[in-house]
Amino acid sequence: NAGVTQTPKFQVLKTGQSMTLQCAQDMNHEYMSWYRQDPGMGLRLIHYSVGAGITDQGEVPNGYNVSRSTTEDFPLRLLSAAPSQTSVYFCASRLDSNEKLFFGSGTQLSVL
Amino acid sequence: KNEVEQSPQNLTAQEGEFITINCSYSVGISALHWLQQHPGGGIVSLFMLSSGKKKHGRLIATINIQEKHSSLHITASHPRDSAVYICAVRLTGGGADGLTFGKGTHLIIQP
Repeated sequence: NAGVTQTPKFQVLKTGQSMTLQCAQDMNHEYMSWYRQDPGMGLRLIHYSVGAGITDQGEVPNGYNVSRSTTEDFPLRLLSAAPSQTSVYFCASRLDSNEKLFFGSGTQLSVL
Repeated sequence: KNEVEQSPQNLTAQEGEFITINCSYSVGISALHWLQQHPGGGIVSLFMLSSGKKKHGRLIATINIQEKHSSLHITASHPRDSAVYICAVRLTGGGADGLTFGKGTHLIIQP
């Protein structure tokens, strides 16, 4: 099993550009989430999904969009990048709500 | 108000020392996670606890539900243990994701 595969590892965008961060897992996990990690703050939830076709907003959803058309994939879209979205992004999955977390390797995003 | 507080924020110790990192939370939880993040690296799950104690190698995690407190211990610490350790709790009735994260404890083990 590859676990949680997250791409790209690094990305630089200009303000206003759009992009998609990819996240895929091969463990048949129902729960998938996107977090951002900023200096001095804990991980903050952007969006999450409890299964294919079901998504919901987290703590900081503005400027981001998600979809879950398959169990395996949970892409995160930045609609119009802003400097405030400069951060490290992590995708995570777990089998059920009280199960162990598996994280992707992270994406370091800079918006100029 | 941060519902998950970790202490200390930063800890520097010598190789071989016994390390304790604490996590306190203010509301009811159904599970608590300890995570490890190496510099520039990804995040790895160390433990998930809902009661009692778990041990894996030199790492021990305990939780006291009544006192709303968990500790992560590292015995015979080694420089490769240098990392950020993150506590996360799943709040009772906290919704589908329901995870709240502490800000992390930055641990440095000097040779």
